[in-house]
Parts: sequence; structure tokens; C-alpha cells
Amino acid sequence: DIVMTQSPLSLPVTPGEPASISCRSSQSLLHSNGYNYLDWYVQKPGQSPQLLIYLGSDRASGVPDRFSGSGSGTDFTLKISRMEAEDVGVYFCMQGLQTPYTFGQGTKLDIK
Amino acid sequence: QVQLVQSGAEVKKPGASLRVSCKTSGYISATYAMNWVRQAPGQRFEWVGWISADGEITKSSQKFQGRVTLSRDTSANIVYLQVNSLRSADTAVYYCARDLGDGDGVSLDYWGQGSLVTVSS
Repeated sequence: DIVMTQSPLSLPVTPGEPASISCRSSQSLLHSNGYNYLDWYVQKPGQSPQLLIYLGSDRASGVPDRFSGSGSGTDFTLKISRMEAEDVGVYFCMQGLQTPYTFGQGTKLDIK
Repeated sequence: QVQLVQSGAEVKKPGASLRVSCKTSGYISATYAMNWVRQAPGQRFEWVGWISADGEITKSSQKFQGRVTLSRDTSANIVYLQVNSLRSADTAVYYCARDLGDGDGVSLDYWGQGSLVTVSS
């Protein structure tokens, strides 16, 4: 199975400041079609997870442009350009390339 | 708007079977595959299985060793997850999640509200 490892696991951020979360996979997520099958999700308190970024860098519908995803192969990063109070939650990555699809441990993002 | 509404919480005894349902609306259900994902207390999310848009193909994690069955009623827009021979380690919140994927991979663009399943004697 592909192992997904996130860091940090906890990230307090001052409103207006940037935030960055790393996700590494034990195998390359780059498909022969040129796409990286790496997604980012957030689970806000009391809610179901929601898709933020898919295929490594594509923002899902309705996601603010302060969220961006980058990386290829085994190293990926989610960046929030300016932290807002509504961004509090647990962020996790998922590889959708190979079954069983696997998830990172989650990074708890909150307000400093 | 797209909605995935799951069945309610359940308490089961070890060895029993469980069926969770996921009713979809707001889109043409027969054009999207569906996944099931679970999260046990204090654990990371875990993929359970995938069912094709037409219900003809299913995949599930080998971890479940054949205890899992995925099905769907395309006429009623309902997707089902059945888990047999339940054990305490199956205690988790189970989610259905729509597959945005392009066929070469999977992304989960809409999730149900979750169904809490507790397995306890």
C-alpha cells in the first residue's frame, strides 16, 4: 500500500499569515497520463470532508483562490496564502492512483 | 445541488451484518462512481471500496477479506455498503463519497454526512 505522510500534524497560524502543509507518498503518484493523483481535503469541525484540490493542483469548484496545491511525484504541498478564521479544520491528503486509496494522518490547522 | 444523504447511526453486535445506504440527488447518479470511506476513532481515513457508475464493477480493500459488498440501485439513486462478520475494529463513521475521477484515478468531490457504526457486545 502507498503510505501518505503529512507534516506538520498541528499548525497554529495567525490570521492573515500564510500556511503550508506537506504531504509525501511512499511511491510516485504521477500517472503515465501526466497527472498526479493527489488530492487535498479539509474537514471542518462538525462537518464532512470537502475537496479542496485534486490532481495535485486543480482547485475544486467554489474553493477560494487563496488555496493552492503544488508538487509532483512523491512530494506535495498545500498552501494558504492568507489564513482566515473559517479555514480552521483538519487538512488531509489522499492518493487516488492505486487501490487501496490511502490518506495522510491529517494536519490540524487552527488560529494562533 | 448535489446531496448524498446516508442512513442513520447503528449499533451492532460482533458477528452481525451491517448495511449503510447513501441516497443521491441533484445529479445523474448513473454517471458517477461512488466510494465508501471510513474513519475509526482517532485514526486516519480509510478507503473501503468503490462501485462503478452502472454498478457492474466493484473494488474493495483487501483488508476486508471479502466481508464487504457494494451495490447500487440506479433507478432509486441509492448506493449500499454491506459489511459482514462485524468486529469491534469496524466501529467507525462510514462515508459515501462521489468519484470525480477521470477513470485513471479517484477524487472524492462530494461526501455524505457520515453514518456512525458502533460494534459492541
